[in-house]
Amino acid sequence: RKEVEQDPGPFNVPEGATVAFNCTYSNSASQSFFWYRQDCRKEPKLLMSVYSSGNEDGRFTAQLNRASQYISLLIRDSKLSDSATYLCVVLNQAGTALIFGKGTTLSVSS
Amino acid sequence: NAGVMQNPRHLVRRRGQEARLRCSPMKGHSHVYWYRQLPEEGLKFMVYLQKENIIDESGMPKERFSAEFPKEGPSILRIQQVVRGDSAAYFCASSAQVKETQYFGPGTRLLVL
Repeated sequence: RKEVEQDPGPFNVPEGATVAFNCTYSNSASQSFFWYRQDCRKEPKLLMSVYSSGNEDGRFTAQLNRASQYISLLIRDSKLSDSATYLCVVLNQAGTALIFGKGTTLSVSS
Repeated sequence: NAGVMQNPRHLVRRRGQEARLRCSPMKGHSHVYWYRQLPEEGLKFMVYLQKENIIDESGMPKERFSAEFPKEGPSILRIQQVVRGDSAAYFCASSAQVKETQYFGPGTRLLVL
């Protein structure tokens, strides 16, 4: 089983749509979780950390389900500029390395 | 406040040559991480260094690859006798402390002919 798994997509949605991405991780002892965004093979940029209680940042909401080892990202009111690859990321137990999923590609069209 | 800097941004080498990739962390950061992204693949951790010390090299290939982070100057990822399979994007990240947010540099695209 891969350490971090994501549906690769692509997700093709119109502007204004709501889209949700899911991710599962294999190590139940993992403590820190993130969503990063990567544009056209440029460097990954932190979108948001994911907390057990769930957290929201504008149009973006992240949820963590430790029992199911499941992380989600919800994007509301999609914009053209949201088109990118979204990376589900888990910090290893030692805190020394980020473990990346392969990413989910989102394409928002007008 | 300059971010993480990497150079060169693009590097072309012939098989058997050496590649040296440099990374300057963000100001105030003393923790450096190297990741590799092969074509059509996700990012994979290679090595984690603090000043003058390799802390975790569990992701480094056993041969031809080495990394250092000297007391003065940038971190260096060195690949000896490159092969075509080394063609990839190599990203460096830095953090102020271990377990804190890692900020990524723009990457070095290595092409081995």
